[in-house]
Amino acid sequence: EDQVTQSPEALRLQEGESSSLNCSYTVSGLRGLFWYRQDPGKGPEFLFTLYSAGEEKEKERLKATLTKKESFLHITAPKPEDSATYLCAVQAHNQGGKLIFGQGTELSVKP
Amino acid sequence: SQTIHQWPATLVQPVGSPLSLECTVEGTSNPNLYWYRQAAGRGLQLLFYSVGIGQISSEVPQNLSASRPQDRQFILSSKKLLLSDSGFYLCAWKRLDTIYFGEGSWLTVV
Repeated sequence: EDQVTQSPEALRLQEGESSSLNCSYTVSGLRGLFWYRQDPGKGPEFLFTLYSAGEEKEKERLKATLTKKESFLHITAPKPEDSATYLCAVQAHNQGGKLIFGQGTELSVKP
Repeated sequence: SQTIHQWPATLVQPVGSPLSLECTVEGTSNPNLYWYRQAAGRGLQLLFYSVGIGQISSEVPQNLSASRPQDRQFILSSKKLLLSDSGFYLCAWKRLDTIYFGEGSWLTVV
């Protein structure tokens, strides 16, 4: 069964304190791994897609990496506006584009 | 550019009442469309997806149904709501490999 597990569930950082969020997955034929950001009361906002082990993507203070079993979302020198829930999802081949989501990591960055 | 509209944004419905949530996508044709639900635990659960008009796949047996009467319109319905139907409902569409979400509809069943 395809499964995604994210850790930690919640992460509190001071502004400027870099850290990483983890996404472990099991999937029968990975088509892509996706990262989303979700603000309270809003729909998830797409951040990155990673397709193969060793791939990396960057956007401002965020960097996503992928191995055969997990993905990391590195946050460098975070700011309070980076506070949100970060969701990881996997998409398998021949599944109509369906995403299987993890439970998310709630990130709080204090000034 | 492509946009997705979902309404209503919030609603409070009594147990046993019907439900209709509507979603439309602009700026594209024949998109894959999805309905997800997000309960208090933050995880998103896929409810239905559609690859074309009249084509609906159900992922989880439950009190809900979906329809796609037009190419860019996706509707989530229920004949009789249950308390357990409360949650945040999200419509989404797929462009290439990426799924994009609407702003969501908050449903509270009382």
